[in-house]
Amino acid sequence: GQQVMQIPQYQHVQEGEDFTTYCNSSTTLSNIQWYKQRPGGHPVFLIQLVKSGEVKKQKRLTFQFGEAKKNSSLHITATQTTDVGTYFCAGHLGSARQLTFGSGTQLTVLP
Amino acid sequence: GAVVSQHPSRVICKSGTSVKIECRSLDFQATTMFWYRQFPKKSLMLMATSNEGSKATYEQGVEKDKFLINHASLTLSTLTVTSAHPEDSSFYICSARGGASGIYNEQFFGPGTRLTVL
Repeated sequence: GQQVMQIPQYQHVQEGEDFTTYCNSSTTLSNIQWYKQRPGGHPVFLIQLVKSGEVKKQKRLTFQFGEAKKNSSLHITATQTTDVGTYFCAGHLGSARQLTFGSGTQLTVLP
Repeated sequence: GAVVSQHPSRVICKSGTSVKIECRSLDFQATTMFWYRQFPKKSLMLMATSNEGSKATYEQGVEKDKFLINHASLTLSTLTVTSAHPEDSSFYICSARGGASGIYNEQFFGPGTRLTVL
């Protein structure tokens, strides 16, 4: 089954509202990466977090890595229509060499 | 950022034929390339990991004789879907990772190949 879960699966927001997606793993993650996939497109790397409790910001996007390194979140402030897409978290489970992708959160921003 | 290309972007084929998909890293040497499969509105499922010059490592449940992977150079990996059937129809995406900084480097994704098997 899916080892890295994301909630919610879908989110519709009005433009200007905030949005948060949560990523949870049953296993400790060595790192967490976030990707954005626009409709019809391919995943594009956004950021990587490695340290326990790490917080990084990119303009309106704030990324957090949990203290136990089993969860992460992506928060978007004041969403814009350009934020539309599916956001995936991905990480290395334990010492695994391959990246495991989360189930994704599809964001729709209504103008 | 690094660029990864995939060819073809879209292919329609008859059941029983084989289809080859190419993945190229255009401006960096990719020691490792990954092949994913994505169903509509679903996450990316890793099919296999290929390292240049060695055999690919397949994920559980992926038939290595059906999905042939070759990584002959540091800039090219190919996925061949042999004797394709309608259930193989999917979006296939490759990604590439440079090896200089270890396995936690970001992955650069190709634009994907949409395969439709009639």
